[in-house]
Amino acid sequence: QVQLQQWGAGLLKPSETLSLTCAVYGGSFSDYYWSWIRQSPGKGLEWIGEINHSGSTNYSPSLKSRVTISVDTSKNQFSLNLSSVTAADTAVYYCARGQGGTVTSYYYYYMDVWGKGTTVTVSS
Amino acid sequence: SYELTQPPSVSVSPGQTASITCSGDKLGDKYVCWYQQKPGQSPVLVIYQDMKRPSGIPERLSGSNSGNTATLTISGTQAMDEADYYCQAWDSSTVVFGGGTKLTVL
Repeated sequence: QVQLQQWGAGLLKPSETLSLTCAVYGGSFSDYYWSWIRQSPGKGLEWIGEINHSGSTNYSPSLKSRVTISVDTSKNQFSLNLSSVTAADTAVYYCARGQGGTVTSYYYYYMDVWGKGTTVTVSS
Repeated sequence: SYELTQPPSVSVSPGQTASITCSGDKLGDKYVCWYQQKPGQSPVLVIYQDMKRPSGIPERLSGSNSGNTATLTISGTQAMDEADYYCQAWDSSTVVFGGGTKLTVL
């Protein structure tokens, strides 16, 4: 059974860089996409971006200028860096496994395994 | 950018059928999935590719997608179904979430 274990600093000051890592245990690492999603207090889900085993990435347009997602295939891990954080970046951050493909000319994408989430607070 | 619109809240009586909609331009031309999230927990995938259920998801949860609207239907709603539900699609190489719907089982 696939499990995602995530960790990283939970308290940051404004202008610092958020860094989180997610380790994948069980299952294939190379057959999937690996995403980061966040949820601000009392709000909905916001997709941050994704990476595959070869390092190909897609990012949310609204965060693209501050986000870097990287992968370490030797450890089956992927990481999120978000620079110049502000209080608006306070959220629970989740890592997740994505599955994507094309069926009848349409592309599907869904995230079927999620980490437990890491609470990140940005405060001076 | 592409947008998905959900009603903020839906109420249903136990045993009745709940329908949660997700609207977007030509959404029927995309595949939609749905997540269930209970307080303090990570989201759980309940429907993918419009209408497929992952292993372990009850048959009373079903999905459809046509035109501009995708619908998550919960038949015989139980108290355990009370949760937030999010639709999600893929557009222009990005994941798009709906704003979420709080399902209350009265």
